[in-house]
Amino acid sequence: GEDVEQSLFLSVREGDSSVINCTYTDSSSTYLYWYKQEPGAGLQLLTYIFSNMDMKQDQRLTVLLNKKDKHLSLRIADTQTGDSAIYFCAEIPTSGTYKYIFGTGTRLKVLA
Amino acid sequence: DTGVSQNPRHKITKRGQNVTFRCDPISEHNRLYWYRQTLGQGPEFLTYFQNEAQLEKSRLLSDRFSAERPKGSFSTLEIQRTEQGDSAMYLCASSRRTGNYGYTFGSGTRLTVV
Repeated sequence: GEDVEQSLFLSVREGDSSVINCTYTDSSSTYLYWYKQEPGAGLQLLTYIFSNMDMKQDQRLTVLLNKKDKHLSLRIADTQTGDSAIYFCAEIPTSGTYKYIFGTGTRLKVLA
Repeated sequence: DTGVSQNPRHKITKRGQNVTFRCDPISEHNRLYWYRQTLGQGPEFLTYFQNEAQLEKSRLLSDRFSAERPKGSFSTLEIQRTEQGDSAMYLCASSRRTGNYGYTFGSGTRLTVV
């Protein structure tokens, strides 16, 4: 089945690290993505990872992929108030399609 | 690169009316997607075009919904005989033909059916 799960809320203090988790169900997914959505806006691509990678780092963002457990995480180092948003993970099931399956989103609140 | 543009940003309509939304993708992107997002949920896939060909439609896209991309550039999404359950944010995205390096989303059209 196609289902991507995320915890709904995360609250952290400014300067701390945030870790947002995602569990996906299609083990054949070859691409996994993280998007950020600010209030009233569309989604902004943050980063992506190929399934043959375990980790990808991009400035303050670190993505970890555990294919065995079908678990994806996004770590934001030195979290800032501007990071407050909803974060979505998404997968493309390798079923000959280009549509994404999105998770329900994790609302990150950064406390000053 | 001016990004993906969607119009209008907001639309309030009475139940039973027809509405049409427009999406202008990034010019060199030949794939275009429509998603629907309701409050507290992630976006749900509606349909996808490669150039002018509509290659996939979701079961969510009832007979009241139709999407076109007549010249392989901009796209329109029409909803006929709107219902309150159609109230949502309608998101358009585009991507290049090659690779799977992610979509570029527009800011969306928020539809409210009263």
